[in-house]
Amino acid sequence: GQNIDQPTEMTATEGAIVQINCTYQTSGFNGLFWYQQHAGEAPTFLSYNVLDGLEEKGRFSSFLSRSKGYSYLLLKELQMKDSASYLCAVRDHLRGSTLGRLYFGRGTQLTVWP
Amino acid sequence: DAMVIQNPRYQVTQFGKPVTLSCSQTLNHNVMYWYQQKSSQAPKLLFHYYDKDFNNEADTPDNFQSRRPNTSFCFLDIRSPGLGDAAMYLCATSRGTSGDEQFFGPGTRLTVL
Repeated sequence: GQNIDQPTEMTATEGAIVQINCTYQTSGFNGLFWYQQHAGEAPTFLSYNVLDGLEEKGRFSSFLSRSKGYSYLLLKELQMKDSASYLCAVRDHLRGSTLGRLYFGRGTQLTVWP
Repeated sequence: DAMVIQNPRYQVTQFGKPVTLSCSQTLNHNVMYWYQQKSSQAPKLLFHYYDKDFNNEADTPDNFQSRRPNTSFCFLDIRSPGLGDAAMYLCATSRGTSGDEQFFGPGTRLTVL
């Protein structure tokens, strides 16, 4: 099985930087995803890491350390529209397949204040 | 625009009355998934199709069934909904290749009276 842990809530102000951490324990690792989910809407893809290191995409960056079972999502120059839930998801390995199941954390509810 | 569509967006049913949720995609993806997401909880995978191959999660109740008549459409059937089945049901698709992300539909919020 999978065990994915991330903080329940975080707050920050407009223009600031926030880091959302995610730790995981998995029986087989095949990549880590970050999704953004606004209230009542579907999750939307933000980033994907499968190798150690930092992936940067505009205001958002994601870091992975496989040996530590740890990832973070870094959001820079926060805007009000960034208020949402941020879901960390780990994909496992299905033997003989590139496909794996995606296991989601409960999400971190980020509130951005003016 | 290529997308994942779910109908209806809101569904109300009565306790024990069968209900079907639908999902369609214009992405021509090989894989389609159904997730259940309860309030303030993580999306939980119920099952997925890789083309016509059906894969059920071990802890998905027998009350939940799925059909995929063709590449574009996938249905979630709840045979006898209970109060505990009230949730958001998310459909997602992916190409089925290594590293690809899943694209989610807007979800159907199910209420059981």
